[in-house]
Amino acid sequence: DTAVSQTPKYLVTQMGNDKSIKCEQNLGHDTMYWYKQDSKKFLKIMFSYNNKELIINETVPNRFSPKSPDKAHLNLHINSLELGDSAVYFCASSSQGGSSYEQYFGPGTRLTVT
Amino acid sequence: AQKITQTQPGMFVQEKEAVTLDCTYDTSDPSYGLFWYKQPSSGEMIFLIYQGSYDQQNATEGRYSLNFQKARKSANLVISASQLGDSAMYFCAMREGYTNAGKSTFGDGTTLTVKP
Repeated sequence: DTAVSQTPKYLVTQMGNDKSIKCEQNLGHDTMYWYKQDSKKFLKIMFSYNNKELIINETVPNRFSPKSPDKAHLNLHINSLELGDSAVYFCASSSQGGSSYEQYFGPGTRLTVT
Repeated sequence: AQKITQTQPGMFVQEKEAVTLDCTYDTSDPSYGLFWYKQPSSGEMIFLIYQGSYDQQNATEGRYSLNFQKARKSANLVISASQLGDSAMYFCAMREGYTNAGKSTFGDGTTLTVKP
């Protein structure tokens, strides 16, 4: 069974459209994250949720809105897509239990805005 | 503000040899965690190893070890007996604080190529 899953894996859309990326984890983790990896492979955190509450909200345009309906899901909705939004978006999760809190990443969603 | 620096954009190593990937960090928080992740060409991010700021011993996980020098603020990854499958991009990351809700910052990555 996949630990952290994302849908869709690929997303091609036009400028101005609104799209969503879904993320689900079946690990029982209490914290979930969204990262953006640009074309140069730079990885930057966008949001993190702990027990459905927003903990980290980096400098991300208001067009990006995360939603966590429950602890196992963290979806990312993007309004009015722009060319610069093209990137790979990774969802991740981690647990408060244990000592290392390593993050488990989903397979990524490659978003291409044309 | 926390910062992670990986000064080696690319590294080459001969198969079966050891290689060290450099990572330095900067933070004012006394509690932090250091991580290394591997990203092969297929794109997934794979957790490799963790070192806590209060850990006395260097972390080891199979062929991976973390050379943690706290005073120098460095957390280099050592891969022993390199294999062709180790060719990938490697990211060093730091999480501030002692909970998993702390912000994580990633370095720019080092691309490792293992030569046969």
